[in-house]
Amino acid sequence: GEDVEQSLFLSVREGDSSVINCTYTDSSSTYLYWYKQEPGAGLQLLTYIFSNMDMKQDQRLTVLLNKKDKHLSLRIADTQTGDSAIYFCAEEGYSSASKIIFGSGTRLSIRP
Amino acid sequence: GAVVSQHPSWVICKSGTSVKIECRSLDFQATTMFWYRQFPKQSLMLMATSNEGSKATYEQGVEKDKFLINHASLTLSTLTVTSAHPEDSSFYICSARDQLNREAEKLFFGSGTQLSVL
Repeated sequence: GEDVEQSLFLSVREGDSSVINCTYTDSSSTYLYWYKQEPGAGLQLLTYIFSNMDMKQDQRLTVLLNKKDKHLSLRIADTQTGDSAIYFCAEEGYSSASKIIFGSGTRLSIRP
Repeated sequence: GAVVSQHPSWVICKSGTSVKIECRSLDFQATTMFWYRQFPKQSLMLMATSNEGSKATYEQGVEKDKFLINHASLTLSTLTVTSAHPEDSSFYICSARDQLNREAEKLFFGSGTQLSVL
């Protein structure tokens, strides 16, 4: 079945860039997502990329997709303390009621 | 913007009782809603796909008699945890898609329900 994998932890210094990586297995994925979850809260969609794109930039966020290697990354420029959270990579295949499969989440912590 | 309202946000119950969690799409219609479960420090696990007017589709390993899903209208799906036990304690999150718009950002998540079974 489909699988999405991420590293569990990432620690970066405030002001540096954070890069969170993700790999997936479903070659029919159409959308790939990045969600942010703060403690005790639901999920906030940060950004997404369609499978025929290589890159998407949205302010401090840059998503890179290597479809051949099934590798997705999220770069957060100028990381701030408010960026501390768990970041989930997720993928969705194509159908009218596609389910989204989530990775294990990467806990991002910011060092002063 | 579009919102998915999930209620209650947290609930504490005694072992053996049943708990109902509601998921509402507030300003859009959703023929399909999804229910996820999240254990502490773990990812979201899809439990079931809730289909308006028909039976839910459960993921492998999820007991359909324990986690009852009803999707009676285009704006409401409910998840009932029957005869809850401490191992059912978890964070439950629903999501819904605006059926009129297939674009990726039209999938919205509720804020989650923290269930604690004593």
